[in-house]
Amino acid sequence: GAVVSQHPSWVICKSGTSVKIECRSLDFQATTMFWYRQFPKQSLMLMATSNEGSKATYEQGVEKDKFLINHASLTLSTLTVTSAHPEDSSFYICSATLTTGGLGEQYFGPGTRLTVT
Amino acid sequence: QKEVEQDPGPLSVPEGAIVSLNCTYSNSAFQYFMWYRQYSRKGPELLMYTYSSGNKEDGRFTAQVDKSSKYISLFIRDSQPSDSATYLCAMSATGGSYIPTFGRGTSLIVHP
Repeated sequence: GAVVSQHPSWVICKSGTSVKIECRSLDFQATTMFWYRQFPKQSLMLMATSNEGSKATYEQGVEKDKFLINHASLTLSTLTVTSAHPEDSSFYICSATLTTGGLGEQYFGPGTRLTVT
Repeated sequence: QKEVEQDPGPLSVPEGAIVSLNCTYSNSAFQYFMWYRQYSRKGPELLMYTYSSGNKEDGRFTAQVDKSSKYISLFIRDSQPSDSATYLCAMSATGGSYIPTFGRGTSLIVHP
């Protein structure tokens, strides 16, 4: 159980275009999903926290107009990178909480590798 | 000082060795402690979680938390080449916050 999927697993796009990444919890309802980015040999950097039916909470330094997050249902959150630039190239990972009384577990998707040319 | 410190390694050990991975932290409010395993180009996979201090064992893996020293460890017994991955520690505070703070991960290489 507690499977999270992401689509696509990798994407190459041209500078100036927008890319949408989907995150789905397959066998549980996730009231909260998280979006991270990870640079090579670096830890996970939290970008935003997404709650179903409400606006995402962005971490300091993350441009909310550039990284649009929509949490449309209890099983789906999307991240759209708008007007992508080469510096946005990274590994984007989502996670979802499996609420079991506050143990703080997060289950991660397999990640999406974005390359902007 | 970062809230969570973790040596990035790499840590290289022979197959069958006992591996010790560690993290230190500075926030005394942390109560939940987790270890994730991340293979190259994949998302992290939750290995173990513990609440407060003490030990927890699951197969070849043992997690230890020493809150007095603000130090957590993950031990892997009889290490296998398939254990080669990056191991990230993560921790979060009580009060309803499920957002953990991650260490930068330790790269482990188990060679045959």
